[in-house]
Amino acid sequence: GAVVSQHPSWVICKSGTSVKIECRSLDFQATTMFWYRQFPKQSLMLMATSNEGSKATYEQGVEKDKFLINHASLTLSTLTVTSAHPEDSSFYICSASVRSGGENTIYFGEGSWLTVV
Amino acid sequence: GNSVTQMEGPVTLSEEAFLTINCTYTATGYPSLFWYVQYPGEGLQLLLKATKADDKGSNKGFEATYRKETTSFHLEKGSVQVSDSAVYFCALTLSTSGTYKYIFGTGTRLKVLA
Repeated sequence: GAVVSQHPSWVICKSGTSVKIECRSLDFQATTMFWYRQFPKQSLMLMATSNEGSKATYEQGVEKDKFLINHASLTLSTLTVTSAHPEDSSFYICSASVRSGGENTIYFGEGSWLTVV
Repeated sequence: GNSVTQMEGPVTLSEEAFLTINCTYTATGYPSLFWYVQYPGEGLQLLLKATKADDKGSNKGFEATYRKETTSFHLEKGSVQVSDSAVYFCALTLSTSGTYKYIFGTGTRLKVLA
């Protein structure tokens, strides 16, 4: 079946630095990708919707300048956490949408754990 | 607003026990309902779904029925196996949203003991 891969799975960075997380659709083209974050014991919260070749649409309360999303190709979207702080430590997960048979199907990546120290 | 509430885990069962994970929702409009499963070190995988009231989704021995009157979508399995140990997420998406935004519950960790 379709596969979405995230890299890195785990990352530790120093406070004040930036870190990039990649989300790739390995065997299909995804015009739309989604980025979520999850705090412990809480729901996955949608951060933004990423459309190939256009600016991402951010959910209310998500800082656009802090969480930079780029969807430069149909198989790759990146999330860059700029000037990271410990409160940005979280589980980030992406998903990609593909249309088949008149239906949209969503595939999720494995997720990326970010720890800011 | 739209939300999903699912029972807090972890749920620990012995092999072959009956499983129920409760999920209720609030939504404007007519949502589609889903159960996703996340095995250790892997991404979320679609387990089953139901798109309208009274639909029953089923897969791998799991099933859930879309109950509009109780706004519920409880996940059940008659006999769990150790390999079912994972985190289970209930989710909804609204067919009128146009952008297929998912709203997830907090996830319920299931641990099955041999």
